[in-house]
Amino acid sequence: SQQGEEDPQALSIQEGENATMNCSYKTSINNLQWYRQNSGRGLVHLILIRSNEREKHSGRLRVTLDTSKKSSSLLITASRAADTASYFCATEAFGNEKLTFGTGTRLTIIP
Amino acid sequence: DAEITQSPRHKITETGRQVTLACHQTWNHNNMFWYRQDLGHGLRLIHYSYGVHDTNKGEVSDGYSVSRSNTEDLPLTLESAASSQTSVYFCASSIVPGTGELFFGEGSRLTVL
Repeated sequence: SQQGEEDPQALSIQEGENATMNCSYKTSINNLQWYRQNSGRGLVHLILIRSNEREKHSGRLRVTLDTSKKSSSLLITASRAADTASYFCATEAFGNEKLTFGTGTRLTIIP
Repeated sequence: DAEITQSPRHKITETGRQVTLACHQTWNHNNMFWYRQDLGHGLRLIHYSYGVHDTNKGEVSDGYSVSRSNTEDLPLTLESAASSQTSVYFCASSIVPGTGELFFGEGSRLTVL
């Protein structure tokens, strides 16, 4: 069963705009991670946020976590064509050390 | 540079045949995972290993097996391939179970006719 569900499934924006994608999950978690997947490639880790953190930054990435709503958001600021990819959230639930992935958001940056 | 490699990258096989997908990592990570990726399902865990001679079933393990005879390799075997196993398969490794990032291979696209 899927732990994380991303929203929207697909997003197209102009280069330079900000992109926001959301992830909802079902059970209590230890941490939540975001990954990027370029077409035909493997997933690449972007950022990890722990359950006791509310916000984390890494370069142009900003991740928030709301454990009361069981949701997270990934914001990419000043988007670039190279940001075109699919983005997945993954959760590690309490008592379960394996990562469970969502279905992903496909982001297209229009030059 | 340390890396994780999968082979073959593409394979076409027939229903009922045995297929083995190789995964080799040079990071000396104890933890290795196999996922399959299908449209609408995201990535689903097939099998995983936390060290040599350790193997565990994941969410969708039926029809698959793994063995771990050394730290570097975790081959995935489809005992009798079925059309439902047509998918893209990803191997991943990590240093610490679940508390850090996964490092993924480039994937193996398997088609079962």
